[in-house]
Amino acid sequence: GEDVEQSLFLSVREGDSSVINCTYTDSSSTYLYWYKQEPGAGLQLLTYIFSNMDMKQDQRLTVLLNKKDKHLSLRIADTQTGDSAIYFCAESIDTGNQFYFGTGTSLTVIP
Amino acid sequence: NAGVTQTPKFRVLKTGQSMTLLCAQDMNHEYMYWYRQDPGMGLRLIHYSVGEGTTAKGEVPDGYNVSRLKKQNFLLGLESAAPSQTSVYFCASSYGGAGSDEQYFGPGTRLTVT
Repeated sequence: GEDVEQSLFLSVREGDSSVINCTYTDSSSTYLYWYKQEPGAGLQLLTYIFSNMDMKQDQRLTVLLNKKDKHLSLRIADTQTGDSAIYFCAESIDTGNQFYFGTGTSLTVIP
Repeated sequence: NAGVTQTPKFRVLKTGQSMTLLCAQDMNHEYMYWYRQDPGMGLRLIHYSVGEGTTAKGEVPDGYNVSRLKKQNFLLGLESAAPSQTSVYFCASSYGGAGSDEQYFGPGTRLTVT
């Protein structure tokens, strides 16, 4: 399968910005996604970006895509304690019906 | 709308026992998926379905079977459970396949095989 990599842990102080990074291997990715998983719950879609875009902004969230380096990042501005969760990046491939998920980054926000 | 529901929420099995996990969605979605989530490994696709009566293998299908007899239900079966199948299982559904369509996830089933 495809290889989608993320660092496992990130800690930030409340009010700071968080940047969660993701790398992927397949250059034929069509869409790239960020999902959030709160404790004991399923995943919820936060945002997605089409592969021909470089950036997408949605309120406190900024997604950056560097297609040449196959690097995706999620920036959360003014991080709050309620942002503490596991964040997954995922990609979908042009030719398939499948989504490929990264390992997840556990974000801890310190008050 | 209940969205995506999964039953049961928790289960403990002994090695060799069988069980079926039920996923139901009330959004009239065509696509349904079963994933397992293990620490440090993210979500891995077990099987998926692109419509009623269809199923397809994902990344880690061995030891599992699925059925999609009704559009709203997607069943995951373990015929002879093994400790390696201890995991959290998530069902998801979407209107379309891979693309801009959002996947909606159920709350998960935590399975322990002893």
